[in-house]
Amino acid sequence: SQKIEQNSEALNIQEGKTATLTCNYTNYSPAYLQWYRQDPGRGPVFLLLIRENEKEKRKERLKVTFDTTLKQSLFHITASQPADSATYLCALFSGTYKYIFGTGTRLKVLA
Amino acid sequence: EAQVTQNPRYLITVTGKKLTVTCSQNMNHEYMSWYRQDPGLGLRQIYYSMNVEVTDKGDVPEGYKVSRKEKRNFPLILESPSPNQTSLYFCASSIRAGQNSPLHFGNGTRLTVT
Repeated sequence: SQKIEQNSEALNIQEGKTATLTCNYTNYSPAYLQWYRQDPGRGPVFLLLIRENEKEKRKERLKVTFDTTLKQSLFHITASQPADSATYLCALFSGTYKYIFGTGTRLKVLA
Repeated sequence: EAQVTQNPRYLITVTGKKLTVTCSQNMNHEYMSWYRQDPGLGLRQIYYSMNVEVTDKGDVPEGYKVSRKEKRNFPLILESPSPNQTSLYFCASSIRAGQNSPLHFGNGTRLTVT
């Protein structure tokens, strides 16, 4: 079955450093991959979407890469701030009209 | 303001007492879906709807029902709730189902079944 794994459940980094989160998927060849942010007790909020032929996409301090050979996406937050602390989810849309989510990585940026 | 609205935010009930969680979106989206989120298991899809009167099961549909009589509303019904349905529930919508269509989520309903 299709599966998405995010490399770590939790990640702590110092303010100002770059956070790198990993998303790996199996048994699927998506043309797009999505990233969401979720704050405690709130619904996920869409951040970025990357196409398979884009390799890299940026939005302000966020950067996403997509390597279809490795079946992996990397999500980077540069110059991280305590306000970036949240859980980050990657997601795929399967061919059967379903969205499949990873379990998320809880990022904590330490001041 | 474009949004997905779920009600109630918190709900405590007893086993077997039927309940409905409402979901409404004001973006004229075709696709709507329900998820439950449990620690360590992530978001799991319960049901989805491609459009009015078109619904289908997700990965964990047992014990739930849905209906899509109008485009904007997609209620989740628990006919006979059980304690294993204690969870955080999210409704979401997108303009249409597709790889390049991101989901818009509601703020969740925390359900406790005793």
